[in-house]
Amino acid sequence: DAKTTQPPSMDCAEGRAANLPCNHSTISGNEYVYWYRQIHSQGPQYIIHGLKNNETNEMASLIITEDRKSSTLILPHATLRDTAVYYCIVRVRGSARQLTFGSGTQLTVLP
Amino acid sequence: AAGVIQSPRHLIKEKRETATLKCYPIPRHDTVYWYQQGPGQDPQFLISFYEKMQSDKGSIPDRFSAQQFSDYHSELNMSSLELGDSALYFCASSCIPGQGLGCTEAFFGQGTRLTVV
Repeated sequence: DAKTTQPPSMDCAEGRAANLPCNHSTISGNEYVYWYRQIHSQGPQYIIHGLKNNETNEMASLIITEDRKSSTLILPHATLRDTAVYYCIVRVRGSARQLTFGSGTQLTVLP
Repeated sequence: AAGVIQSPRHLIKEKRETATLKCYPIPRHDTVYWYQQGPGQDPQFLISFYEKMQSDKGSIPDRFSAQQFSDYHSELNMSSLELGDSALYFCASSCIPGQGLGCTEAFFGQGTRLTVV
């Protein structure tokens, strides 16, 4: 699975959009970009995934660059409950292979 | 909606004892993953099973073993426990595409906190 690079930490004001970047320059054609988050000591929570088109669901939006070497997770209106470590993972869709967690980004939403 | 169930939620064991952690996947999920997360660390993959067969192996110590049963639940057996085994242990489940919505994502349980004293 391709390696990802994320900033170690970010702050965001409550009610503002949080934009979390991820670099995955070695991603291969059949690998999807997945985002998970982990609120302190809870199980990681699936957020969204995508291949090359932008994706949106009730939690977030995922913007993937045309060359697929980077992506941005957008939380449109961050709340205090969005404070968590956010992990960007690239993985072949539907495989039974492991999800490999990197260092992630600690997002702190400030009141 | 049903989620991944892990038991027990908390476990305290003494050094050199054994422990068994259980994971009950989401109904119709046939793949189970085990992760270990030490204090201040990211989750580390241990092992996974697909259709009751081991499918992938990570940094699982030889003292640990796991299996997936016919009802798809999985157990992680840990022997000769060491202080360094104290961690959160997460189980996740998923299924192969073609079996319905949500099959491509892995969903995690709330974990078992193991403390070795």
